[in-house]
Amino acid sequence: DIVMTQTPLSSPVTLGQPASISCRSSQSLVHSDGNTYLSWLQQRPGQPPRLLIYKISNRFSGVPDRFSGSGAGTDFTLKISRVEAEDVGVYYCMQATQFPWTFGQGTKVEIK
Amino acid sequence: QVQLVESGGGLVKPGGSLRLSCAASGFTFSDYYMSWIRQAPGKGLEWVSYISSSGSTIYYADSVKGRFTISRDNAKNSLYLQMNSLRAEDTAVYYCARVTDFWSDYWGQGTLVTVSS
Repeated sequence: DIVMTQTPLSSPVTLGQPASISCRSSQSLVHSDGNTYLSWLQQRPGQPPRLLIYKISNRFSGVPDRFSGSGAGTDFTLKISRVEAEDVGVYYCMQATQFPWTFGQGTKVEIK
Repeated sequence: QVQLVESGGGLVKPGGSLRLSCAASGFTFSDYYMSWIRQAPGKGLEWVSYISSSGSTIYYADSVKGRFTISRDNAKNSLYLQMNSLRAEDTAVYYCARVTDFWSDYWGQGTLVTVSS
């Protein structure tokens, strides 16, 4: 199984300041079709997960442009350019290149 | 708009069975793959199962293989998860999610399954 490792596990951030979350996979996430199926999800307190980013860097419908994704191969990053109060929650990376699909442990973003 | 509504959760004894349902609306259900993902209380996300649009291709996590069965009824716009031989470690909120290519783009609110004597 592909192991997804996120760092940090907790990220206290000042409102208006940037935040960055790293996700590393135990093997390359490049699919045989040439795509890399790495997604980022946000889970606000008491809510179900919500898709933010798919295929490394594509923002899902309705996601603010302060969220961006980057990376390749085994190393990926989610960046929030200016954290807002509504961004508080847990962020997960997820790989769907190979079954079983696997998630990172989650990174808790909170306001300082 | 896309809506996914799970139901069927509840309290069940170890070794018991439960059938979860997910009612889909707002999109052409038969065009999409679907998935079940669960989250134990206070824990992270765990993928459980996947089914193709026709139901011909199915995958399971090792932790549920042989005990859980995913299925769908495209005429009823519904996804199911039959869970047998339930264990305490199956206690979780179970989410159904629509799958577009290889990402889960819409999620339901979830249904809580508690396995306890």
